[in-house]
Amino acid sequence: AQSVTQLGSHVSVSEGALVLLRCNYSSSVPPYLFWYVQYPNQGLQLLLKYTTGATLVKGINGFEAEFKKSETSFHLTKPSAHMSDAAEYFCAVSVYGANSKLTFGKGITLSVRP
Amino acid sequence: GAGVSQSPRYKVAKRGQDVALRCDPISGHVSLFWYQQALGQGPEFLTYFQNEAQLDKSGLPSDRFFAERPEGSVSTLKIQRTQQEDSAVYLCASSLGLGSGTEAFFGQGTRLTVV
Repeated sequence: AQSVTQLGSHVSVSEGALVLLRCNYSSSVPPYLFWYVQYPNQGLQLLLKYTTGATLVKGINGFEAEFKKSETSFHLTKPSAHMSDAAEYFCAVSVYGANSKLTFGKGITLSVRP
Repeated sequence: GAGVSQSPRYKVAKRGQDVALRCDPISGHVSLFWYQQALGQGPEFLTYFQNEAQLDKSGLPSDRFFAERPEGSVSTLKIQRTQQEDSAVYLCASSLGLGSGTEAFFGQGTRLTVV
């Protein structure tokens, strides 16, 4: 079975500051890793994903994440926060197979201060 | 439509009432998933369809929960004799492919409140 740990429930940064949202996973087989963003009253939107290949993946809105197998981590970063980045962020894992169901973390709420 | 559509967006049910939640996936998407998202939590997997076949229902919390996708397109999640612990947002997602790593597109969800 797979699991995802997102430590802390809330992160607050100033506009223009670095955004770092942490994600650690547990999986007995090579994982596929995802970050989703959820704006109020909207569905989940994929930010980026890691399947195979390059461990540094770039996504939409200037976000990127690095898969580190030795640390079982997939932290999400953005060099400069924008007010529009305020939302809830979910890290998720799936594994190879026909059923690509996702196992999500509890999510982190990102606030951006002016 | 352009995205995954769910209806109703909000549903208030009295305890013991049956409810039906609808999901219209993106046209042509083979895979369809239902997730349950309790307040302050991440979504949790309920069930998975590949076309009309329900291949995984391991996440359904009880036999009061039933899902179908009879023609391989629209899906309905039915909850019988609703309980307060069923209050949550129910999310539907669809994806084009069969393999893991394929992007899943989510609907806006149905917020169910059981009173």
